Amino acid sequence: NAGVMQNPRHLVRRRGQEARLRCSPMKGHSHVYWYRQLPEEGLKFMVYLQKENIIDESGMPKERFSAEFPKEGPSILRIQQVVRGDSAAYFCASSQEGPGLLNTQYFGPGTRLTVL
Amino acid sequence: GENVEQHPSTLSVQEGDSAVIKCTYSDSASNYFPWYKQELGKRPQLIIDIRSNVGEKKDQRIAVTLNKTAKHFSLHITETQPEDSAVYFCAASQNTGGFKTIFGAGTRLFVKA
Repeated sequence: NAGVMQNPRHLVRRRGQEARLRCSPMKGHSHVYWYRQLPEEGLKFMVYLQKENIIDESGMPKERFSAEFPKEGPSILRIQQVVRGDSAAYFCASSQEGPGLLNTQYFGPGTRLTVL
Repeated sequence: GENVEQHPSTLSVQEGDSAVIKCTYSDSASNYFPWYKQELGKRPQLIIDIRSNVGEKKDQRIAVTLNKTAKHFSLHITETQPEDSAVYFCAASQNTGGFKTIFGAGTRLFVKA
Protein backbone atom coordinates (compact mmCIF):
# COMPACT_ATOMS: atom_id res chain seq x y z
CA ASN A 1 0.00 0.00 0.00
CA ALA A 2 1.77 3.12 -1.21
CA GLY A 3 1.95 5.98 1.22
CA VAL A 4 0.98 9.58 0.65
CA MET A 5 2.72 10.88 -2.46
CA GLN A 6 3.69 14.46 -3.12
CA ASN A 7 5.30 16.03 -6.15
CA PRO A 8 7.43 17.75 -6.94
CA ARG A 9 9.71 17.18 -3.96
CA HIS A 10 11.54 20.42 -4.67
CA LEU A 11 10.20 23.40 -6.55
CA VAL A 12 11.99 26.63 -7.40
CA ARG A 13 10.03 29.62 -8.57
CA ARG A 14 10.81 33.26 -9.21
CA ARG A 15 8.76 35.97 -7.59
CA GLY A 16 5.46 36.44 -9.41
CA GLN A 17 5.28 32.93 -10.84
CA GLU A 18 2.74 30.28 -9.92
CA ALA A 19 3.48 27.19 -7.84
CA ARG A 20 1.42 24.01 -8.11
CA LEU A 21 1.89 21.34 -5.48
CA ARG A 22 0.30 17.92 -5.87
CA CYS A 23 -0.74 15.36 -3.30
CA SER A 24 -2.03 11.84 -3.85
CA PRO A 25 -3.51 10.39 -0.66
CA MET A 26 -2.98 6.85 0.53
CA LYS A 27 -5.18 4.29 -1.20
CA GLY A 28 -8.61 4.29 0.38
CA HIS A 29 -8.16 7.72 1.99
CA SER A 30 -10.69 10.39 1.09
CA HIS A 31 -9.51 13.23 3.35
CA VAL A 32 -6.58 15.49 2.56
CA TYR A 33 -4.92 18.16 4.69
CA TRP A 34 -2.28 20.70 3.74
CA TYR A 35 0.26 22.14 6.19
CA ARG A 36 3.04 24.67 5.85
CA GLN A 37 6.28 24.41 7.80
CA LEU A 38 8.89 27.13 7.96
CA PRO A 39 12.46 26.15 8.90
CA GLU A 40 12.82 25.35 12.60
CA GLU A 41 9.09 25.84 13.15
CA GLY A 42 5.98 23.74 13.63
CA LEU A 43 3.23 22.58 11.31
CA LYS A 44 0.71 25.25 10.44
CA PHE A 45 -2.69 23.99 9.26
CA MET A 46 -3.83 25.45 5.96
CA VAL A 47 -6.80 23.53 4.57
CA TYR A 48 -8.81 20.32 4.94
CA LEU A 49 -10.54 18.80 1.91
CA GLN A 50 -12.65 15.84 1.01
CA LYS A 51 -13.32 14.83 -2.57
CA GLU A 52 -14.76 17.88 -4.37
CA ASN A 53 -15.32 19.74 -1.09
CA ILE A 54 -13.35 22.18 1.03
CA ILE A 55 -14.23 21.41 4.64
CA ASP A 56 -12.05 23.91 6.48
CA GLU A 57 -9.82 26.55 4.90
CA SER A 58 -9.37 28.69 7.99
CA GLY A 59 -5.57 28.45 7.73
CA MET A 60 -5.31 29.53 4.13
CA PRO A 61 -4.20 33.07 3.32
CA LYS A 62 -7.12 34.93 1.79
CA GLU A 63 -5.24 35.88 -1.35
CA ARG A 64 -3.08 33.98 -3.84
CA PHE A 65 -3.64 30.55 -2.23
CA SER A 66 -6.21 28.00 -3.34
CA ALA A 67 -6.72 24.27 -2.98
CA GLU A 68 -8.80 21.62 -4.63
CA PHE A 69 -9.37 17.88 -4.43
CA PRO A 70 -11.20 16.82 -7.59
CA LYS A 71 -13.20 13.65 -8.03
CA GLU A 72 -10.37 12.22 -10.09
CA GLY A 73 -6.70 12.95 -9.59
CA PRO A 74 -4.56 14.41 -6.84
CA SER A 75 -5.23 17.31 -4.55
CA ILE A 76 -3.63 20.54 -5.76
CA LEU A 77 -2.37 23.43 -3.66
CA ARG A 78 -1.88 26.45 -5.89
CA ILE A 79 0.04 29.57 -4.96
CA GLN A 80 -0.26 32.42 -7.42
CA GLN A 81 2.22 35.29 -7.76
CA VAL A 82 4.64 33.73 -5.26
CA VAL A 83 6.68 35.93 -2.93
CA ARG A 84 9.85 35.10 -0.98
CA GLY A 85 7.80 34.61 2.19
CA ASP A 86 6.08 31.63 0.55
CA SER A 87 9.34 29.67 0.73
CA ALA A 88 8.64 26.74 3.04
CA ALA A 89 8.01 23.01 3.16
CA TYR A 90 4.44 22.13 2.31
CA PHE A 91 3.21 18.83 3.71
CA CYS A 92 0.12 16.97 2.71
CA ALA A 93 -1.52 14.38 4.97
CA SER A 94 -4.41 12.01 4.37
CA SER A 95 -6.81 10.01 6.49
CA GLN A 96 -9.53 7.50 5.85
CA GLU A 97 -13.20 7.64 6.73
CA GLY A 98 -14.77 5.34 9.27
CA PRO A 99 -15.63 4.99 12.97
CA GLY A 100 -12.49 5.52 15.02
CA LEU A 101 -10.31 5.93 11.94
CA LEU A 102 -11.22 9.36 10.72
CA ASN A 103 -8.53 11.39 12.38
CA THR A 104 -5.31 9.41 12.03
CA GLN A 105 -3.28 11.41 9.52
CA TYR A 106 -0.36 10.10 7.51
CA PHE A 107 2.04 12.58 5.97
CA GLY A 108 3.63 12.76 2.56
CA PRO A 109 7.34 13.58 2.07
CA GLY A 110 6.62 17.25 1.49
CA THR A 111 7.36 19.76 -1.27
CA ARG A 112 10.12 22.23 -0.53
CA LEU A 113 9.29 25.48 -2.28
CA THR A 114 12.03 28.03 -2.81
CA VAL A 115 11.12 31.44 -4.17
CA LEU A 116 14.02 33.35 -5.66
CA GLY B 1 -11.05 26.93 18.81
CA GLU B 2 -8.56 24.36 20.03
CA ASN B 3 -5.15 25.47 21.26
CA VAL B 4 -2.30 23.07 22.01
CA GLU B 5 0.72 24.08 24.05
CA GLN B 6 3.83 21.93 24.17
CA HIS B 7 6.79 22.00 26.58
CA PRO B 8 9.71 22.08 26.60
CA SER B 9 10.71 23.51 23.24
CA THR B 10 14.14 21.91 23.56
CA LEU B 11 15.19 18.89 25.60
CA SER B 12 18.66 17.45 25.94
CA VAL B 13 19.21 14.09 27.69
CA GLN B 14 22.01 11.61 28.10
CA GLU B 15 21.72 8.33 26.25
CA GLY B 16 19.86 5.83 28.41
CA ASP B 17 17.95 8.47 30.36
CA SER B 18 14.22 9.10 30.02
CA ALA B 19 12.64 12.01 28.17
CA VAL B 20 9.22 13.49 28.92
CA ILE B 21 7.34 15.94 26.71
CA LYS B 22 4.14 17.55 27.94
CA CYS B 23 1.18 19.06 26.11
CA THR B 24 -1.99 20.79 27.19
CA TYR B 25 -5.12 21.39 25.16
CA SER B 26 -8.02 23.75 25.59
CA ASP B 27 -11.04 22.14 23.91
CA SER B 28 -12.70 19.53 26.12
CA ALA B 29 -14.32 18.06 22.99
CA SER B 30 -10.93 16.84 21.74
CA ASN B 31 -10.78 13.07 22.01
CA TYR B 32 -7.82 11.94 19.92
CA PHE B 33 -4.16 12.75 20.62
CA PRO B 34 -1.45 11.59 18.19
CA TRP B 35 2.29 12.11 18.54
CA TYR B 36 4.59 12.57 15.55
CA LYS B 37 8.35 12.35 15.20
CA GLN B 38 10.07 14.42 12.53
CA GLU B 39 13.71 13.86 11.69
CA LEU B 40 15.63 16.58 9.90
CA GLY B 41 14.40 17.00 6.33
CA LYS B 42 11.87 14.20 6.66
CA ARG B 43 8.11 13.95 6.98
CA PRO B 44 6.34 13.81 10.37
CA GLN B 45 5.72 10.17 11.25
CA LEU B 46 3.07 8.90 13.65
CA ILE B 47 4.76 7.11 16.54
CA ILE B 48 1.90 6.61 18.98
CA ASP B 49 -1.62 7.88 19.59
CA ILE B 50 -4.19 7.74 22.34
CA ARG B 51 -7.95 8.15 22.39
CA SER B 52 -9.82 9.69 25.26
CA ASN B 53 -11.34 6.44 26.46
CA VAL B 54 -7.96 5.28 27.83
CA GLY B 55 -5.52 6.91 30.22
CA GLU B 56 -2.28 5.30 29.10
CA LYS B 57 -0.82 3.48 26.15
CA LYS B 58 2.58 1.88 25.73
CA ASP B 59 4.58 0.67 22.77
CA GLN B 60 8.04 -0.67 23.68
CA ARG B 61 10.10 2.32 24.90
CA ILE B 62 7.37 4.86 24.18
CA ALA B 63 4.34 5.58 26.34
CA VAL B 64 1.68 8.25 26.34
CA THR B 65 -0.53 9.29 29.25
CA LEU B 66 -3.71 11.33 29.14
CA ASN B 67 -5.42 13.28 31.91
CA LYS B 68 -8.78 14.40 30.55
CA THR B 69 -9.73 16.33 33.66
CA ALA B 70 -6.62 18.46 33.55
CA LYS B 71 -6.58 18.46 29.73
CA HIS B 72 -2.99 17.41 29.42
CA PHE B 73 -1.13 14.51 27.85
CA SER B 74 2.50 13.46 27.87
CA LEU B 75 4.99 11.43 25.86
CA HIS B 76 7.51 9.33 27.73
CA ILE B 77 10.56 7.82 26.05
CA THR B 78 12.62 5.46 28.18
CA GLU B 79 16.19 4.26 27.59
CA THR B 80 16.76 6.98 25.02
CA GLN B 81 19.07 6.33 22.10
CA PRO B 82 20.84 8.77 19.74
CA GLU B 83 18.38 7.83 16.98
CA ASP B 84 15.56 9.21 19.13
CA SER B 85 16.97 12.68 18.40
CA ALA B 86 14.31 14.52 16.39
CA VAL B 87 11.49 17.02 16.73
CA TYR B 88 8.38 15.63 18.40
CA PHE B 89 4.91 17.12 17.84
CA CYS B 90 1.83 16.49 19.90
CA ALA B 91 -1.61 17.11 18.45
CA ALA B 92 -5.26 17.18 19.45
CA SER B 93 -8.32 16.42 17.38
CA GLN B 94 -11.97 15.42 17.47
CA ASN B 95 -13.49 12.34 15.96
CA THR B 96 -16.35 14.25 14.34
CA GLY B 97 -16.98 15.55 10.88
CA GLY B 98 -15.41 18.80 9.81
CA PHE B 99 -12.66 18.70 12.42
CA LYS B 100 -9.04 19.62 12.04
CA THR B 101 -5.97 18.52 13.96
CA ILE B 102 -4.13 21.16 15.96
CA PHE B 103 -0.42 20.63 16.48
CA GLY B 104 1.82 21.79 19.27
CA ALA B 105 4.86 23.87 18.40
CA GLY B 106 7.23 20.91 18.74
CA THR B 107 10.01 19.75 21.05
CA ARG B 108 13.52 19.34 19.74
CA LEU B 109 15.03 16.32 21.52
CA PHE B 110 18.79 15.81 21.61
CA VAL B 111 20.09 12.49 22.92
CA LYS B 112 23.79 12.71 23.73
CA ALA B 113 25.85 9.56 23.33
